[in-house]
Amino acid sequence: GIQVEQSPPDLILQEGANSTLRCNFSDSVNNLQWFHQNPWGQLINLFYIPSGTKQNGRLSATTVATERYSLLYISSSQTTDSGVYFCAADNFGNEKLTFGTGTRLTIIP
Amino acid sequence: GAGVSQSPRYKVAKRGQDVALRCDPISGHVSLFWYQQALGQGPEFLTYFQNEAQLDKSGLPSDRFFAERPEGSVSTLKIQRTQQEDSAVYLCASNSGRGNQETQYFGPGTRLLVL
Repeated sequence: GIQVEQSPPDLILQEGANSTLRCNFSDSVNNLQWFHQNPWGQLINLFYIPSGTKQNGRLSATTVATERYSLLYISSSQTTDSGVYFCAADNFGNEKLTFGTGTRLTIIP
Repeated sequence: GAGVSQSPRYKVAKRGQDVALRCDPISGHVSLFWYQQALGQGPEFLTYFQNEAQLDKSGLPSDRFFAERPEGSVSTLKIQRTQQEDSAVYLCASNSGRGNQETQYFGPGTRLLVL
């Protein structure tokens, strides 16, 4: 099946800083999603982005499908951005999502 | 409903006990997925339904795990003779199943602790 790797595993930043999270995947993807898992364990959808670029407020994401990676950008970080960010993908013809191991982001006031 | 709901939110079971976890998908969603998330890990796929048909159960870790969706809406994940290694968060997700590319929407999860 498809392999999904995320980097870095941990990221500690001062409030107001910008961050870039990376997701590499091993095969062509039909579906790629970015999630934020809050301290209560809820997976919050950030982006559905199998290709191209999207922006939502301080967050944006870019997927370069031909090079098999996706990037999540967080600008002007706030303490509420802390948590674990997951990338998940599935192959064509296979709807189950394979998750990466996540990036734990800690924003310090 | 407005989102995917799961119950109970927390479950403590004694080793050997059977448990049943419930998922209510978004109204009208055809596809339903179960995932297991161990502490410090990403979620891992367990099984997938399209309406009442279980199309993929390749992720179920043993024959103690059983899932059903008899009327194509609510789903139940049952774990028989629970073991300590079953302790995890069990997540349910759904999507409309009508398109080739679909966002999966996740519920809040059931946190299972087996003592």
